[in-house]
Amino acid sequence: ETGVTQSPTHLIKTRGQQVTLRCSSQSGHNTVSWYQQALGQGPQFIFQYYREEENGRGNFPPRFSGLQFPNYSSELNVNALELDDSALYLCASSLVGLGTYEQYFGPGTRLTVT
Amino acid sequence: TQLLEQSPQFLSIQEGENLTVYCNSSSVFSSLQWYRQEPGEGPVLLVTVVTGGEVKKLKRLTFQFGDARKDSSLHITAAQPGDTGLYLCAGEGTGRRALTFGSGTRLQVQP
Repeated sequence: ETGVTQSPTHLIKTRGQQVTLRCSSQSGHNTVSWYQQALGQGPQFIFQYYREEENGRGNFPPRFSGLQFPNYSSELNVNALELDDSALYLCASSLVGLGTYEQYFGPGTRLTVT
Repeated sequence: TQLLEQSPQFLSIQEGENLTVYCNSSSVFSSLQWYRQEPGEGPVLLVTVVTGGEVKKLKRLTFQFGDARKDSSLHITAAQPGDTGLYLCAGEGTGRRALTFGSGTRLQVQP
């Protein structure tokens, strides 16, 4: 069974640029959620994708967008980067329909905006 | 908005000591999950509690879900340096579209 993978591991961008982060779900999982974790904080929910459609969104502006592909992999896109976007971005996959909603996280992408 | 408050924020103890971490909310959760996160890595799921009053044990770790499903605790017996890390509680709300995380408890166990 393959776990959740994310790429790249680290990324440095300049304010105003755009970035795309990628995630491959754990084998057999059909739902992907993205979280932002600022230094010293718990993860904050950005959005979730199920069957290639957005299935819920946290308190993040529209410049945060995403995609889910037929193989359940996913992308997080952030436009017009701001300094406050510097954080660890976590992808989590889960299998909707099994009862409890356990999510399994990837190692994250560390984004630094200068 | 559902919020989870964790306490304490930081804990530094000696090897062999016991400790308890608390996770409290005014909201009811369908389930509550505990994670441990190492620096530079994603959170790793430790346990999920679902039923009010439920107690689960994982070796030296004991997890309890409050009767009203609004709070939870994690108790570690005879802590070891390998227990060092960031402990996060996360609640599953209605609709199951997101986990609400606490801000975490950073535990350091000194040998």
